Amino acid sequence: DTGVSQNPRHKITKRGQNVTFRCDPISEHNRLYWYRQTLGQGPEFLTYFQNEAQLEKSRLLSDRFSAERPKGSFSTLEIQRTEQGDSAMYLCASSRDIHNEQFFGPGTRLTVL
Amino acid sequence: DQQVKQNSPSLSVQEGRISILNCDYTNSMFDYFLWYKKYPAEGPTFLISISSIKDKNEDGRFTVFLNKSAKHLSLHIVPSQPGDSAVYFCAASARGNAGGTSYGKLTFGQGTILTVHP
Repeated sequence: DTGVSQNPRHKITKRGQNVTFRCDPISEHNRLYWYRQTLGQGPEFLTYFQNEAQLEKSRLLSDRFSAERPKGSFSTLEIQRTEQGDSAMYLCASSRDIHNEQFFGPGTRLTVL
Repeated sequence: DQQVKQNSPSLSVQEGRISILNCDYTNSMFDYFLWYKKYPAEGPTFLISISSIKDKNEDGRFTVFLNKSAKHLSLHIVPSQPGDSAVYFCAASARGNAGGTSYGKLTFGQGTILTVHP
């Protein structure tokens, strides 16, 4: 399977704990994006990478959120001191440089109790 | 500031008939538009896209129409099939940094739930 993969698929945590999600993009894709989706809404942009460089961060991404793509391949999204409002589906997508079609992974469903 | 809007939360269609899903946008810097389909517990699946230099793009049963003057796009599915039942999102992106958008970032609508009855 050469699609975008995300792990874990589900994460339940207690408020105040730290969580980390992983995304493996399609191998030849240079751009990697993170989005967040809550119930009844479309995905909202969080941040994106061109290779290992993080080029933009949404104001939705508070100081408790950090994303990395250390070798320009997989990416991690960490949320520190989780809050109940962080409960959402976290989606990763990747695309080629010159094409805008973004291909999404299955997402990580986060529930903060 | 909802820059991309899908005003119909749901649409119900009979199998074999046409499904028309609509989307409006406000940011004139958007120049590339996409439609995604999403099943429960899965990520969005890319369906079809259109650049602002075109007003129509067709792929099999799916056709997207773009009316730039009205800032409106629509997705036509003909004929509709029960397997098309899903949530459909339109998304838009721009190629510059003006207007609060940036190249590659997608701005999504709220989605329309399509149900195709056998």
